[in-house]
Amino acid sequence: AAGVIQSPRHLIKEKRETATLKCYPIPRHDTVYWYQQGPGQDPQFLISFYEKMQSDKGSIPDRFSAQQFSDYHSELNMSSLELGDSALYFCASSRRTGAGEKLFFGSGTQLSVL
Amino acid sequence: GDSVTQMEGPVTLSEEAFLTINCTYTATGYPSLFWYVQYPGEGLQLLLKATKADDKGSNKGFEATYRKETTSFHLEKGSVQVSDSAVYFCALRMEAGNQFYFGTGTSLTVIP
Repeated sequence: AAGVIQSPRHLIKEKRETATLKCYPIPRHDTVYWYQQGPGQDPQFLISFYEKMQSDKGSIPDRFSAQQFSDYHSELNMSSLELGDSALYFCASSRRTGAGEKLFFGSGTQLSVL
Repeated sequence: GDSVTQMEGPVTLSEEAFLTINCTYTATGYPSLFWYVQYPGEGLQLLLKATKADDKGSNKGFEATYRKETTSFHLEKGSVQVSDSAVYFCALRMEAGNQFYFGTGTSLTVIP
């Protein structure tokens, strides 16, 4: 069965560069979530989208932006990268139904900022 | 490929009941295993972890033992409380590459 696909799996950038992370949800899923997990930390919720509209916003820095496209894939754009942005970035998708929501996670993109 | 399979929910228990949420994994190497919890309206939190075979992770009365022979990491608690109502995710992380693989989550509701 298709799962949540994230690309790239690994990314190395230098300070002040930009990065774009991509998330391809499971087919027919309408909701995407982004999480950031620093070394030794719990995943922190960044932002979510439902039906291509931002639905919730967490601790996402102003230097980051994200969107969900017409095919439901999502991109997290990160500018002016800082050393502290080095983390594992997760994407999760779900399909909202009246019976509740089940999250399916991607395996993450490891971003290293040098 | 590497993957995690956990028990389908939802699970509904009475307070003080015994809880088991099954989790099995498939991995080609030697992963670390985790249980995360998501309380209503909150983000994911690490509940417990184990990094090698026969390790037991424990926290807040929850326990899970890394069983290599059965490729399992079942979550248990002897006496659940209403405050344990949440969604529980089993996950593994491969030692190389730092990739995580999550289960699909098990929703637990504990009723008084």
